[in-house]
Amino acid sequence: AQKITQTQPGMFVQEKEAVTLDCTYDTSDPSYGLFWYKQPSSGEMIFLIYQGSYDQQNATEGRYSLNFQKARKSANLVISASQLGDSAMYFCAMRGIIQGAQKLVFGQGTRLTINP
Amino acid sequence: NAGVTQTPKFQVLKTGQSMTLQCAQDMNHEYMSWYRQDPGMGLRLIHYSVGAGITDQGEVPNGYNVSRSTTEDFPLRLLSAAPSQTSVYFCASSPGTGARRTGELFFGEGSRLTVL
Repeated sequence: AQKITQTQPGMFVQEKEAVTLDCTYDTSDPSYGLFWYKQPSSGEMIFLIYQGSYDQQNATEGRYSLNFQKARKSANLVISASQLGDSAMYFCAMRGIIQGAQKLVFGQGTRLTINP
Repeated sequence: NAGVTQTPKFQVLKTGQSMTLQCAQDMNHEYMSWYRQDPGMGLRLIHYSVGAGITDQGEVPNGYNVSRSTTEDFPLRLLSAAPSQTSVYFCASSPGTGARRTGELFFGEGSRLTVL
């Protein structure tokens, strides 16, 4: 079965520090995709970064990078030089085939708080 | 750019009442879905559709109905609301295969439903 696990319910980080949000996944499909979304207090879901299972290099989008370790089935999000505006809920998600159709399965989320 | 539009944004119901959450997208996406978000549980898939006239159940379909008569619209119906359906509901759409990031979801702003 497809499963995403985020083991950190909450994290507190000082402004300007780097932060790593953990995500592990479980799938038997050889082709899958991994996503990170940000949900600020206003509630909308914002796409951050994507990693395909066959991508050779780790994905990067500005201050966001994805530490993809396929053998360990982990896809951690790294935010460099954190800012106060990074305080939000972060969700890891995996695209997989479930009951014959492509679906996105989400982890429980990590609430990140950036302290000044 | 409208993207995915959900209405209403807030709704209070009494147990046993029925209502419909509306969702419309203007991106000509084939795939549309409904998720509910509850604290500590991430986003869970309720129903999804891979095209007009085709719908299927997700992880938590009980108590909800959907239909997809057009590509643009995907309403979610609560037939007899229960307090357990108090949640934040997200409609999301996705282009079909061939998109740069296959499976990426584009979300509406969410609808907060309270059932008393």
